[in-house]
Amino acid sequence: AQSVAQPEDQVNVAEGNPLTVKCTYSVSGNPYLFWYVQYPNRGLQFLLKYITGDNLVKGSYGFEAEFNKSQTSFHLKKPSALVSDSALYFCAVRAPGFQKLVFGTGTRLLVSP
Amino acid sequence: GAVVSQHPSRVICKSGTSVKIECRSLDFQATTMFWYRQFPKQSLMLMATSNEGSKATYEQGVEKDKFLINHASLTLSTLTVTSAHPEDSSFYICSARDLGFGTGGTDTQYFGPGTRLTVL
Repeated sequence: AQSVAQPEDQVNVAEGNPLTVKCTYSVSGNPYLFWYVQYPNRGLQFLLKYITGDNLVKGSYGFEAEFNKSQTSFHLKKPSALVSDSALYFCAVRAPGFQKLVFGTGTRLLVSP
Repeated sequence: GAVVSQHPSRVICKSGTSVKIECRSLDFQATTMFWYRQFPKQSLMLMATSNEGSKATYEQGVEKDKFLINHASLTLSTLTVTSAHPEDSSFYICSARDLGFGTGGTDTQYFGPGTRLTVL
């Protein structure tokens, strides 16, 4: 069965500092991995995905994520956080041959001025 | 990027009435759409997978007679909450699967902005 773990309910970071939002996954076969961001009372916005290829994936708004197969992780990173990055972040995985995404529980990112 | 719209964004109704929510993929065709429900401060719960031209596949515990899903075209899926009750109040989010043929991307789900349903 597929599963995603986001071990931190909330991450606090000061504006201008680097940020990391953690995600680990469990899936049979090669995973398709995604990050989405949700602002209050809004749907999810796609940030980036890993399907195959380079382990470092670059996405929207300066975010990137690194796929680490040995650690089964796909942590989201940004070199310099903005206050406007404050939102709820979801990691998701899809197993090959399946349509459904399995989501983590979400991590709230709070960037302070 | 691919855009998914959802209508209405907010609806308030009386208990016992039915409410229809529309989900549209605006710049790509989606043979598969998904309907989720999200409770406050929680993750998304998949309710059903909607396949164009066929019956939806419901997740365990989701009443198919209460949550009617229709996917009549490649760009439109609808969710009808029948005989709504206060416990059905929630944030409903749809997504559409873009296989990438029209947008140049690769197999990605794009989400609508959500519908806040309040049943009085």
